[in-house]
Amino acid sequence: DAGVIQSPRHEVTEMGQEVTLRCKPISGHNSLFWYRQTMMRGLELLIYFNNNVPIDDSGMPEDRFSAKMPNASFSTLKIQPSEPRDSAVYFCASSPQGGVTNEKLFFGSGTQLSVL
Amino acid sequence: GEDVEQSLFLSVREGDSSVINCTYTDSSSTYLYWYKQEPGAGLQLLTYIFSNMDMKQDQRLTVLLNKKDKHLSLRIADTQTGDSAIYFCAERDGGATNKLIFGTGTLLAVQP
Repeated sequence: DAGVIQSPRHEVTEMGQEVTLRCKPISGHNSLFWYRQTMMRGLELLIYFNNNVPIDDSGMPEDRFSAKMPNASFSTLKIQPSEPRDSAVYFCASSPQGGVTNEKLFFGSGTQLSVL
Repeated sequence: GEDVEQSLFLSVREGDSSVINCTYTDSSSTYLYWYKQEPGAGLQLLTYIFSNMDMKQDQRLTVLLNKKDKHLSLRIADTQTGDSAIYFCAERDGGATNKLIFGTGTLLAVQP
């Protein structure tokens, strides 16, 4: 299995531009998570989906952030408009069991976002 | 709310044992985890322990859980330079969301 696949690997954009991050979870996994990692705040859960349905989006910073999961094999995290303080590494992770008993997460390699 | 705390940095010499500590607040956590993040990569699950256990050993890794004090530790025996990474402790939210709460991470630096 190829694991969780994220694209792009690196993104450099200017303030005000729209940014779309993409994720393909491991086939057969029921849950998908978006995390943001920064030096100041560590690893923060932004949103997670179970069977393509958003379950908890309380970590989404503000309305500029939105996430979708149109099907079991694809999710996007969009920032519009982007700001310099959004610069971070964004990780997607998937889990096979939907959090029923033991939440083992499998992480992608992340997208390094720089907003200038 | 839940909170998971770790020390930020640990430096050891190759061949020595490393002990990384973690404290958590949610007493209803059923599973606790250790994840490893190597430079430029995502987190990988190293090991986990069920809350009714005190200890779990997996090759060079030993996890100790003190549920009374809400303290979790990861011991790495015979630490190698390849063990240099950031180590995250995580607890599973005991509530309805089932999400993982991660600690701040401990950077382990192994000196040759």
